[in-house]
Amino acid sequence: GAVVSQHPSRVICKSGTSVKIECRSLDFQATTMFWYRQFPKQSLMLMATSNEGSKATYEQGVEKDKFLINHASLTLSTLTVTSAHPEDSSFYICSARDPAAKPGQPQHFGDGTRLSIL
Amino acid sequence: GEDVEQSLFLSVREGDSSVINCTYTDSSSTYLYWYKQEPGAGLQLLTYIFSNMDMKQDQRLTVLLNKKDKHLSLRIADTQTGDSAIYFCAESLTGQNFVFGPGTRLSVLP
Repeated sequence: GAVVSQHPSRVICKSGTSVKIECRSLDFQATTMFWYRQFPKQSLMLMATSNEGSKATYEQGVEKDKFLINHASLTLSTLTVTSAHPEDSSFYICSARDPAAKPGQPQHFGDGTRLSIL
Repeated sequence: GEDVEQSLFLSVREGDSSVINCTYTDSSSTYLYWYKQEPGAGLQLLTYIFSNMDMKQDQRLTVLLNKKDKHLSLRIADTQTGDSAIYFCAESLTGQNFVFGPGTRLSVLP
């Protein structure tokens, strides 16, 4: 079964709305989670690394004030798209790695959230 | 920076073998992964290989790694219509930060 749960799976909302996406690790405590964005027919681009108890690390070109990340517990990271506009419409995927896993063992990905801004 | 390249499309007939190729630029890549993404869904891990290996087989899947040429391939034997999806190659130095390829869209024809 899934070890990383992402919610909601789909969001449709009006321009200007803020949208929160949750990523939960179900079977392990994740000190680090990752947020990716995928445009249609394109690959996944890492947006930011979410660190439990500290500030997220954003990739170059990603607006931290636009994409707020909170990792307040060892099993939950949230991504809030603030004042969303149509250009923010995309597929957002989170991932987490079990810290007890052996080096190189892959991360677990959520099922993604499809965000559509009207 | 690191870069991962894949051909974007592949069509095969049902029952044939599919070979999806990937090249990467970072010679220090330690871990290489293959993920499958079906329409509207997240990523499903298929298999992964460490850079000190040159082959890994798991049922219908065979991964070949040519570290000298920085070339990775995924062979799917007896390809079925359910294998139609996008296949992503990814590399990582530490197993934490991933760099994904653009994905190869595999179409399986009846």
